Amino acid sequence: DTEVTQTPKHLVMGMTNKKSLKCEQHMGHRAMYWYKQKAKKPPELMFVYSYEKLSINESVPSRFSPECPNSSLLNLHLHALQPEDSALYLCASSLRQVRGETQYFGPGTRLLVL
Amino acid sequence: KQEVTQIPAALSVPEGENLVLNCSFTDSAIYNLQWFRQDPGKGLTSLLLIQSSQREQTSGRLNASLDKSSGRSTLYIAASQPGDSATYLCAVEQGAQKLVFGQGTRLTINP
Repeated sequence: DTEVTQTPKHLVMGMTNKKSLKCEQHMGHRAMYWYKQKAKKPPELMFVYSYEKLSINESVPSRFSPECPNSSLLNLHLHALQPEDSALYLCASSLRQVRGETQYFGPGTRLLVL
Repeated sequence: KQEVTQIPAALSVPEGENLVLNCSFTDSAIYNLQWFRQDPGKGLTSLLLIQSSQREQTSGRLNASLDKSSGRSTLYIAASQPGDSATYLCAVEQGAQKLVFGQGTRLTINP
């Protein structure tokens, strides 16, 4: 199984809502990533988890709250988002957080904030 | 701050042509460079990874080269097919698994 799955595929939320994005992999990978991709822009790294611990936070606003409850699952909790947070949110995983490891990406969750 | 640039932003060619996509980066202190493919509204698929000590990598009809000292990489696609239509992104790895992406080249192969 070389697949990273993400749910939901699409999400529409108001600025006062609380929602969560979910990412799952069963490849035994111990590094997991959240990226944000705005339309016609490249992906930008948000968070990295290594062995279920937060390794990198790229100065992301606190309205985005990541969680890694176990080695297969990565969540992104959303609260009080702004319309400019509308984007494709991509999850990825790699065997470990070391140089040269291939990252496997999920299909993404397309988020619209109204 | 590392900046990655891809030229051209969009490219349209007839089926069967060989083509070259370009990627340049400003800081040569990279661990490796990767080429990804992204279909519309989808995630990324890794195509090739070139370590900083390597000059090129090949996979099927794809060949990627790296000239680290000049900050350039090319992706060569031979005998293009309509199924190759996608956006191609290059990314350099600086910190462990910290990827910096270019803006991508949107490729269309016309039957």
